[in-house]
Amino acid sequence: DAKTTQPPSMDCAEGRAANLPCNHSTISGNEYVYWYRQIHSQGPQYIIHGLKNNETNEMASLIITEDRKSSTLILPHATLRDTAVYYCIVRARRSGNTPLVFGKGTRLSVIA
Amino acid sequence: DTGVSQDPRHKITKRGQNVTFRCDPISEHNRLYWYRQTLGQGPEFLTYFQNEAQLEKSRLLSDRFSAERPKGSFSTLEIQRTEQGDSAMYLCASSLVAGGQETQYFGPGTRLLVL
Repeated sequence: DAKTTQPPSMDCAEGRAANLPCNHSTISGNEYVYWYRQIHSQGPQYIIHGLKNNETNEMASLIITEDRKSSTLILPHATLRDTAVYYCIVRARRSGNTPLVFGKGTRLSVIA
Repeated sequence: DTGVSQDPRHKITKRGQNVTFRCDPISEHNRLYWYRQTLGQGPEFLTYFQNEAQLEKSRLLSDRFSAERPKGSFSTLEIQRTEQGDSAMYLCASSLVAGGQETQYFGPGTRLLVL
């Protein structure tokens, strides 16, 4: 699976959009981009995943660049409860035989 | 609550003791994973099961560690002769593999402290 690069930390004002970048310049055509987050002392929580089209669900939006070398997770109206470590993970399309490989993620602090 | 559950949530033990953790996956999920997370790091893969078969073990899984999933439902992770370096959060995740794709859902974890 391709390696990802994320900033170690970010701040966001409450109520504003949080835009979390991820670089995955070595991603191959059969690899998905997954996002998880981990709130302090809890297990990781699945957020969203995508292949090449932008995706949106009730939690977030995922914007993948046309060349697929980077992506941005968008939390449209961040709240204090969104303070967490956010992990960007690239996985092969037929991912059923691979565990998740977590990096250190981005620590997002939402500030009142 | 139909999510992944883990028991106990916290465990304090003395070095040299054996400990066992349990994970109950989401109903009908055929895949179950164990991960370990130390302070400041992301989770690291330990092992996984497809139904009752243990299909892969990480080199992190020393011979003091053993995992089972006897009926393809719940799983246990046992650590024998615990060491202080075993102190970590132990996470369980489950998924339903369909068409080669899966999304893993995590439990709350068991935090182990070895004194």
